[in-house]
Amino acid sequence: EVQLVESGGGLVQPGGSLRLSCAASGFTFSSYEMNWVRQAPGKGLEWVSYISSSGSTIYYADSVKGRFTISRDNAKNSLYLQMNSLRAEDTAVYYCARDERTTVTTKFDYWGQGTLVTVSS
Amino acid sequence: DIQMTQSPSSLSASVGDRVTITCRASQSISNNLNWYQQKPGKAPKLLIYAASSLQSGVPSRFSGSGSGTDFTLTISSLQPEDFATYYCQQSYSTRITFGQGTRLEIK
Repeated sequence: EVQLVESGGGLVQPGGSLRLSCAASGFTFSSYEMNWVRQAPGKGLEWVSYISSSGSTIYYADSVKGRFTISRDNAKNSLYLQMNSLRAEDTAVYYCARDERTTVTTKFDYWGQGTLVTVSS
Repeated sequence: DIQMTQSPSSLSASVGDRVTITCRASQSISNNLNWYQQKPGKAPKLLIYAASSLQSGVPSRFSGSGSGTDFTLTISSLQPEDFATYYCQQSYSTRITFGQGTRLEIK
């Protein structure tokens, strides 16, 4: 059974840092691209970042570029999101999502349960 | 970035109704369009990918259509468990974007 379990969320002051983790199991993690998607309270879904299966290709949303860093450790079946210079508008539930890609399509077929990040003084 | 606009933003319907939700892209995205269902406090769930392909395990009352800029998600006969929020997502661009969501409520 595919499982994605996020951790590392919590309360942090503006300007602070936090590192999120996503532990994967039930599939060959090193074969899949991964993403982080967030959802502010009562709002819609916002894609945050993408990393290729090897980690060699990375993309970010403009809203987090220069502040957030996505990474992965395929030996540990884990995905990470290092978040620096946090702002109130970064407050959200952060989901990791498996990215199944073929030559003709991309889909986020499995999601974790999410971890809440609250940025407040 | 490619903008995705869903309509309506909210919708009231009854069990057994046929419901259609529309998603429009700000530029052509071919068939690179997915639909997700999200219930309160839960992660999104993939329903439809590549505009019209049903994800494994999803009931056949869900269907998708469209290509280019205009897409639809149809639920042929609403069931009680279908009341949720629905999001479209474009995967044409490396910078993925979602629609703002359509909240489907019980009438």
